[in-house]
Amino acid sequence: DQQVKQNSPSLSVQEGRISILNCDYTNSMFDYFLWYKKYPAEGPTFLISISSIKDKNEDGRFTVFLNKSAKHLSLHIVPSQPGDSAVYFCAATGTVRTNAGKSTFGDGTTLTVKP
Amino acid sequence: DGGITQSPKYLFRKEGQNVTLSCEQNLNHDAMYWYRQDPGQGLRLIYYSQIVNDFQKGDIAEGYSVSREKKESFPLTVTSAQKNPTAFYLCASSPGFNQPQHFGDGTRLSIL
Repeated sequence: DQQVKQNSPSLSVQEGRISILNCDYTNSMFDYFLWYKKYPAEGPTFLISISSIKDKNEDGRFTVFLNKSAKHLSLHIVPSQPGDSAVYFCAATGTVRTNAGKSTFGDGTTLTVKP
Repeated sequence: DGGITQSPKYLFRKEGQNVTLSCEQNLNHDAMYWYRQDPGQGLRLIYYSQIVNDFQKGDIAEGYSVSREKKESFPLTVTSAQKNPTAFYLCASSPGFNQPQHFGDGTRLSIL
């Protein structure tokens, strides 16, 4: 039973356009969500996060949107750059006892930004 | 420069052998984690530790063991009981719960 799902294994966009990566979750106990970026042969690096008390968080070109009722979050990258080409992982965690300290990751979406 | 160091980068194991993967951090983080990644899949949690001398099983702990005797070190032993150990192993740390995790660059384990 996969609690965090990224249904698109890959996404290709043109440089300068918007990239939208999606993530769905099933566990209503999750209350903190993160996006990580991973290049080949490296560990993931933290990109942006959002708490369940918010519905939007912005950091430069990156914006994360959270729709709690739909249990859905998305990462928008505007404008997309070739250096953004990487695997993006969505992760979810919770503060309540059953999920405290544990992050659950999706399978990742490979983003390719074409020059 | 603070960070997480995993060693070795590549590791080979013979059938029936135990092998230990090293993870060291100098970020002064309380929490540390071990994940396994298989091709085309996400990161699955093996073990995590919130504080020295304490650790908890993750989602796929069978065939693995850990220790947390020092704050900066969280070694993972892949035992012979782990029937499919070939994978990419990632270690991470964070200042505490619900904080972003910092990852090492991973160890790729293969069976000879």
